[in-house]
Amino acid sequence: DAGVIQSPRHEVTEMGQEVTLRCKPISGHNSLFWYRQTMMRGLELLIYFNNNVPIDDSGMPEDRFSAKMPNASFSTLKIQPSEPRDSAVYFCASSLYREVNTIYFGEGSWLTVV
Amino acid sequence: DQQVKQNSPSLSVQEGRISILNCDYTNSMFDYFLWYKKYPAEGPTFLISISSIKDKNEDGRFTVFLNKSAKHLSLHIVPSQPGDSAVYFCAASRTGANNLFFGTGTRLTVIP
Repeated sequence: DAGVIQSPRHEVTEMGQEVTLRCKPISGHNSLFWYRQTMMRGLELLIYFNNNVPIDDSGMPEDRFSAKMPNASFSTLKIQPSEPRDSAVYFCASSLYREVNTIYFGEGSWLTVV
Repeated sequence: DQQVKQNSPSLSVQEGRISILNCDYTNSMFDYFLWYKKYPAEGPTFLISISSIKDKNEDGRFTVFLNKSAKHLSLHIVPSQPGDSAVYFCAASRTGANNLFFGTGTRLTVIP
């Protein structure tokens, strides 16, 4: 069974450019999470969806960040315009609703903004 | 504000010895705790968990201890093996919630 699939694995972009990260959750999972890993804050929750509906986006750092989940099998995290301080590893995770012990992570998207 | 804290960014132990990773939390509503393990270039993977109705949970070489009064939990690895070298994240949640709060991680290095 395929796990959480993220793309791209690595992205290097110039400051000011738009970045789109993509995620395909595990089939049957109805909650999806976007996390960002930084040295200072560890794994930081940006936003999560239940049944494709955004529930809590309080972790989204700025209006430059947006996330969508148009259907149960796809989500995007967009940064526009990107800045060097956005450089981090972005993880997508999915789970069954309210079963946090079923949270599985993708392998992450390494973003570098120069 | 960081509700889950791992104050040791790194830890080195000799192979065969015990590794103890610590975690503190501030939110008294948390009642379910997990440890995740992360290798380089991979996503975190679930390792072990504990509910607040218990104070200990054991799975092979891994044991998690919970001290609710101190809002502290620890992960013990005995004996430590070189393959245990990774970053370990502590996470917490509460009943009915649908998300996890993570600490900043502790990088464990097991020296052969």
